[in-house]
Amino acid sequence: QQQVKQSPQSLIVQKGGISIINCAYENTAFDYFPWYQQFPGKGPALLIAIRPDVSEKKEGRFTISFNKSAKQFSLHIMDSQPGDSATYFCAASDTGGGNKLTFGTGTQLKVEL
Amino acid sequence: DAGVTQSPTHLIKTRGQHVTLRCSPISGHKSVSWYQQVLGQGPQFIFQYYEKEERGRGNFPDRFSARQFPNYSSELNVNALLLGDSALYLCASSRGRPDGQYFGPGTRLTVT
Repeated sequence: QQQVKQSPQSLIVQKGGISIINCAYENTAFDYFPWYQQFPGKGPALLIAIRPDVSEKKEGRFTISFNKSAKQFSLHIMDSQPGDSATYFCAASDTGGGNKLTFGTGTQLKVEL
Repeated sequence: DAGVTQSPTHLIKTRGQHVTLRCSPISGHKSVSWYQQVLGQGPQFIFQYYEKEERGRGNFPDRFSARQFPNYSSELNVNALLLGDSALYLCASSRGRPDGQYFGPGTRLTVT
């Protein structure tokens, strides 16, 4: 019940295209859903996060879509750039029970010219 | 403002040895969490501390311990190292819940 399932495992997108990464969860107590970007040899960087009281949040080229009834959320990267090539992790936490993050398995994104 | 800092950057230890990893949170952040990231996987939660008290513990053996100091910095200790402890150890800080967690660059531990 604590798992967060992430897909796809890897993704290749052309420059200027839209990258879409999907996550699903089971634990209905989860109430905070961040996305992290990680470059090789670096720590994860917080990109954008959403709470279940909204269905969408946009920050620049990054958008989270959230479907509470389906227990799914997704990251959309608009106008993808080669500099976006990295591993992306979704995560979830039950903030009422602490701030522990449960991470997905990661998606390796490559943006080609 | 400086981000989360961790030391050392890299560490090589032998099986059975002990290791201490250190973390300094972002100024003003009172919560520190530790995660283990094995190559090719997402980070796994080890501990969370808030105001020097343990607020959560992940599914790790008792060989793993941690503490938080009055200045909110933190140490992660691992005893009796195993080959399987080789990983990137990440520290994250936050103001508390609910709030975003900001990760440091990690300490790469290699156990031989």
